[in-house]
Parts: sequence; C-alpha cells; structure tokens
Amino acid sequence: DTAVSQTPKYLVTQMGNDKSIKCEQNLGHDTMYWYKQDSKKFLKIMFSYNNKELIINETVPNRFSPKSPDKAHLNLHINSLELGDSAVYFCASSRRGVDTEAFFGQGTRLTVV
Amino acid sequence: DQQVKQNSPSLSVQEGRISILNCDYTNSMFDYFLWYKKYPAEGPTFLISISSIKDKNEDGRFTVFLNKSAKHLSLHIVPSQPGDSAVYFCAASEGGNQFYFGTGTSLTVIP
Repeated sequence: DTAVSQTPKYLVTQMGNDKSIKCEQNLGHDTMYWYKQDSKKFLKIMFSYNNKELIINETVPNRFSPKSPDKAHLNLHINSLELGDSAVYFCASSRRGVDTEAFFGQGTRLTVV
Repeated sequence: DQQVKQNSPSLSVQEGRISILNCDYTNSMFDYFLWYKKYPAEGPTFLISISSIKDKNEDGRFTVFLNKSAKHLSLHIVPSQPGDSAVYFCAASEGGNQFYFGTGTSLTVIP
C-alpha cells in the first residue's frame, strides 16, 4: 500500500494550459504539503494544509491553487502554465506535532513546452 | 533565503569506509532535524532524525550529530555500502509547521 500517492508521475503540456496534480495519503495525517524541486534540486515548500485548512502559502504565483476536499487529499491546480513551471512537484504529509517526519509521494515531473 | 544549506553537492566514498555528510542551518528556532534519502525518480524517504535537545542519535549504520552552537549537523554512515548511493537531503523544522530542506548531497559508494 502506497502511503502518499500522487498522479500523474509525468506530465508534459503546452504553455498556457491548465493542469492538475492529485495527491492522496492513507496515513491518517492531518497535515499535507506541496513542495517544488527546481532545476537546482532545491526542495521548496509551496503550500501546507492542516485538516483541510491552508496554514502556509509561500510566495508562489496565484496561478497555483491547492484544493483539499478532505484531509486525505491535497490537489494542486495550475492555470496558464509557463515554461518556468517545469519542475518536479512533491506531495507530502505528516502528523501534527514537533517531532514528526514528512512522508513524500513519488513526485510529478511537469514539463511545459 | 535558504535556511538549511548543504555545501557539498557530491561525495564519493569507498565501500566499507565512513561517509560523512554535512549540513548547516541559520535559524536557531529549529527544533527538529531530519535526513532524507532520495533515489532517482522517487520521492525522498525519511532516514533518521534528531531533536534539538539531543546531540546524537544512532540507528544501525546511521548516526546523526547535532552541534547547536555551531548550527551544524552531520550524518555518518558506517560502513558505507553501494546501496547507500543516493542523494541525501538535510531538513529542519520549527514547531512542526513545515520542513526546510537543503539542496542535497549526492553520495556515491564505490565497490
């Protein structure tokens, strides 16, 4: 059983399109995240949701909109895709609390052409 | 503004020897530190962690050391095995709100 699963694994799309990446966790965690890994391999937090409520929204273009229908799902919708959006996007989840680790999905490699 | 830094992008070690991966951080409010291992085309997987109230945590071949005064932590792998070849990310959190990651160190263990 995959703990954190995200789909699709690969996504190739043209500039200007709108796309979504889905994420589901079966760990019973309250907190879910979206991270972006750019070409420099830096893993940067984009959003954090706690029990369906947005708690962290780092400086990302408002073309990126997370949606959490329930605490097991956190989807990422991207409007008007740009070349610079090409990256690997990771979903993660964790328990609430200080001494806790995040569990990551396999990543979605987004290529905008 | 990168709060967690891994200054060595790569490291090569002979099988059986010790691998030492280093990480520095700037935020003195970080209270939990983690190491993740990542293989190509996979997500990072949790390896080992340490609370800020400790200075050492050991799990089998993996030991993490924390030096709070220097804002430095390190991961020791001994003995190193070819299967340890991967990218290792250092991470830190403050109050469990989010995790800040370094840029990773690519470890190659040579048979």
